[in-house]
Amino acid sequence: DGGITQSPKYLFRKEGQNVTLSCEQNLNHDAMYWYRQDPGQGLRLIYYSQIVNDFQKGDIAEGYSVSREKKESFPLTVTSAQKNPTAFYLCASSNRAGTEAFFGQGTRLTVV
Amino acid sequence: AQKVTQAQTEISVVEKEDVTLDCVYETRDTTYYLFWYKQPPSGELVFLIRRNSFDEQNEISGRYSWNFQKSTSSFNFTITASQVVDSAVYFCALLVGRGHQGGSEKLVFGKGTKLTVNP
Repeated sequence: DGGITQSPKYLFRKEGQNVTLSCEQNLNHDAMYWYRQDPGQGLRLIYYSQIVNDFQKGDIAEGYSVSREKKESFPLTVTSAQKNPTAFYLCASSNRAGTEAFFGQGTRLTVV
Repeated sequence: AQKVTQAQTEISVVEKEDVTLDCVYETRDTTYYLFWYKQPPSGELVFLIRRNSFDEQNEISGRYSWNFQKSTSSFNFTITASQVVDSAVYFCALLVGRGHQGGSEKLVFGKGTKLTVNP
C-alpha cells in the first residue's frame, strides 16, 4: 500500500546524544516536511524539501538537520544543540501541485 | 509572512449540537491553498478538505461544511449534529509559494482547536 512511514514510533534519547528519525514515502511525492508538535503549540515547521538534494529551514530549524539524498526519504536528526527535544514529530509528503499533504503516524521523542 | 490563526483553543459541546471552528489566515500570495485536518488521539493527521484561493465556493460533505471568505481571510469549518467520534484536534493549514520562480511551497499550520463532543 502507498503511504508514508515514520520509525520508530517511540524513541528515547539521553541528553547530549544525536538521534535520527526516519521518514519514508512511496507515493512518489516531490515535497516532504518535518513538523514538531508540542501541547498547545500546534504543528511547527522544522524543515521542508521540494526536490532531492535541496531543503529549506522552517520556523524552528535550530538544533535539527536533514538530508534529502533520495526522493522517498527525508530523515531528521535531532542534535545535541536542540535544548528541548522532547516532542511529537510528524513527517509529511505532498505532490507539488498544491494537493494535500499525507502524514506519517509520528515519532514521540523523549529525552531521559 | 504566512500565518494561520485558530483562536479557539478548546471547544466542548453536547452531542447533536452544531459547532463551528474558526480559521483566519494571512498571506501576501495571490495563489494559495487552504486545508483542514483532523487529528484523533492516535496522532496521525487525517485530511478533510482543500480549497484554492480562486475557488470561494462553500462545500458540504455529509455533516461537514466549509465557508471560505477571501474578504475576511477566513476558512471556517462547521460540523452539524456533532457526534462523539468527532472529538479530536482540528487543524487549519495554509500552503503558499506555488508558482514563485525558484520558490518553495511551504505548508503552515494553526495551533489547532481541540473539540470535545460529550454524549
